[in-house]
Amino acid sequence: DAKTTQPTSMDCAEGRAANLPCNHSTISGNEYVYWYRQIHSQGPQYIIHGLKNNETNEMASLIITEDRKSSTLILPHATLRDTAVYYCFFTGNTDKLIFGTGTRLQVFP
Amino acid sequence: KAGVTQTPRYLIKTRGQQVTLSCSPISGHRSVSWYQQTPGQGLQFLFEYFSETQRNKGNFPGRFSGRQFSNSRSEMNVSTLELGDSALYLCASSLEPPPTSGAPYEQYFGPGTRLTVT
Repeated sequence: DAKTTQPTSMDCAEGRAANLPCNHSTISGNEYVYWYRQIHSQGPQYIIHGLKNNETNEMASLIITEDRKSSTLILPHATLRDTAVYYCFFTGNTDKLIFGTGTRLQVFP
Repeated sequence: KAGVTQTPRYLIKTRGQQVTLSCSPISGHRSVSWYQQTPGQGLQFLFEYFSETQRNKGNFPGRFSGRQFSNSRSEMNVSTLELGDSALYLCASSLEPPPTSGAPYEQYFGPGTRLTVT
């Protein structure tokens, strides 16, 4: 299975940048990294994905290391509504999507 | 465009019973995946359907089954319910099946069905 490693939990002050790391050392050269988040009692929500280059959209930025073994999701100005569990994953050449345990981000006032 | 819908949203069943959950994907989406989410195990992949065919299956016992209809709607069934089957069951849809590699993939999740087995 495609394994990712993420911190169990993180805290962030409202208005500050939240930087969520993910290790995916077994990723292959042509596999995308995906980030989803799940707000309590809702279905996971797609955030962003990337291959090699850094990516940015209206929700977040994704920084992928040059060796592609890790990435960081950046929420530039965290709000209380960003409190959620954030999942990083890749398919691992199995065409199955294997979610890890994710990082529980708590944004505080 | 309407999102992924799942019915029912909440369900209480007794051990030994069977249950059927329904998922309607986003219009135009042909791939449907099912996941089980529990506090202890997190999000676990159950199976994925595309064009009425099961393409992938996770590590779950045969009591868990599913199917997809010609209109892409999907159902999953759990027979002989056990207490450990209590979970949030999530359905996700996408235009195409997840690629093995080399292409991005986005799936959209429904709100889930919360099943409680007593």
